[in-house]
Amino acid sequence: QQQVKQSPQSLIVQKGGISIINCAYENTAFDYFPWYQQFPGKGPALLIAIRPDVSEKKEGRFTISFNKSAKQFSLHIMDSQPGDSATYFCAAINQGGKLIFGQGTELSVKP
Amino acid sequence: NAGVMQNPRHLVRRRGQEARLRCSPMKGHSHVYWYRQLPEEGLKFMVYLQKENIIDESGMPKERFSAEFPKEGPSILRIQQVVRGDSAAYFCASSPQGGRRDTQYFGPGTRLTVL
Repeated sequence: QQQVKQSPQSLIVQKGGISIINCAYENTAFDYFPWYQQFPGKGPALLIAIRPDVSEKKEGRFTISFNKSAKQFSLHIMDSQPGDSATYFCAAINQGGKLIFGQGTELSVKP
Repeated sequence: NAGVMQNPRHLVRRRGQEARLRCSPMKGHSHVYWYRQLPEEGLKFMVYLQKENIIDESGMPKERFSAEFPKEGPSILRIQQVVRGDSAAYFCASSPQGGRRDTQYFGPGTRLTVL
């Protein structure tokens, strides 16, 4: 019940394409869903986050879509660039305030 | 406006030694979280602390691991008698208010290698 499942594990996209990463959760008590971006050797950096009372949130080229009834949410990266190549983690925060992370998606954007 | 600071960035220990990892939260943040990232895996919660209090240590191994966040100074994650399986990246995050609706900001991590 505390898990967040993320797919795909790895993703290769051409420059200018759309990258889509999906996550699903079980615990309906989760009510804050951040996405983190991590470059090799660095700490995770908050990219964008959404609350379940919103179905979509957009910040620049990054969009989160949220389907509360299906308990699924996804990250879309429009016009993907080589500089977006990184590992992306979805997460959910539980009642106690701790982040439950997905397994991560390694994104590679080819020039 | 410094972010979350962690030191050392890299730490090498031999089996049986002690490892001490330090985390200074962002200015104004009084909530600290520790996460561990094993090779090729995602981040796993270890412990959540406020000043002088452990709020949630459900992710901490029962033995050899301890954490503190004193009134003054950084938060410390201590691993006694390290074993090879402790080799991982350890990340600290901080937030201003804690709880379920608060953003956590991560430090650069400490990469522990146990020989």
